[in-house]
Amino acid sequence: EAGVVQSPRYKIIEKKQPVAFWCNPISGHNTLYWYRQNLGQGPELLIRYENEEAVDDSQLPKDRFSAERLKGVDSTLKIQPAELGDSAVYLCASSPGDVETQYFGPGTRLLVL
Amino acid sequence: DQQVKQNSPSLSVQEGRISILNCDYTNSMFDYFLWYKKYPAEGPTFLISISSIKDKNEDGRFTVFLNKSAKHLSLHIVPSQPGDSAVYFCAARRSSGTYKYIFGTGTRLKVLA
Repeated sequence: EAGVVQSPRYKIIEKKQPVAFWCNPISGHNTLYWYRQNLGQGPELLIRYENEEAVDDSQLPKDRFSAERLKGVDSTLKIQPAELGDSAVYLCASSPGDVETQYFGPGTRLLVL
Repeated sequence: DQQVKQNSPSLSVQEGRISILNCDYTNSMFDYFLWYKKYPAEGPTFLISISSIKDKNEDGRFTVFLNKSAKHLSLHIVPSQPGDSAVYFCAARRSSGTYKYIFGTGTRLKVLA
């Protein structure tokens, strides 16, 4: 069974530029999560989807971050404009339901210069 | 306020010996706990979980112990192997409300051959 797929794996951009990350969850997993992991920290939830509905986006900085999960499968996380402090690893995870174990993708390492 | 704490950033253990990784939490509403293992450049991988109705869960070389009164859980790896060298994160959630997992900052385990 294929795991969670994320792309790109690495991204280097200049501040104020836009950037987008893509995630394809495990087939059949209704719940999708986006996390941000800063250096030396644990993952922090940005947004959680149940199918195509964002049910928890309380930690998403909505002035510059946006996310979508059209058709309840793939998801895209966008930052516009990026700031230096956005440099981090962005992890996508999925689970069969909202209380199940989460399976993580390899992450996208973002560096904002 | 860090609700889930892993106070040891690193741990070194000889191959074949026991590794004990600790995790403390402050929110008494947490009732489900996970341990994840993370290798460099990969996403976290689920290792083992425990519900608050139990005080111990075992899976092969991995055992998680939960002390609810002390708000403390620990992961025991016996015997430790060089391939266990990774960063270990504990995570906690509550079964009502947002179901959001809160992660600790991780402990880097190094198993010496």
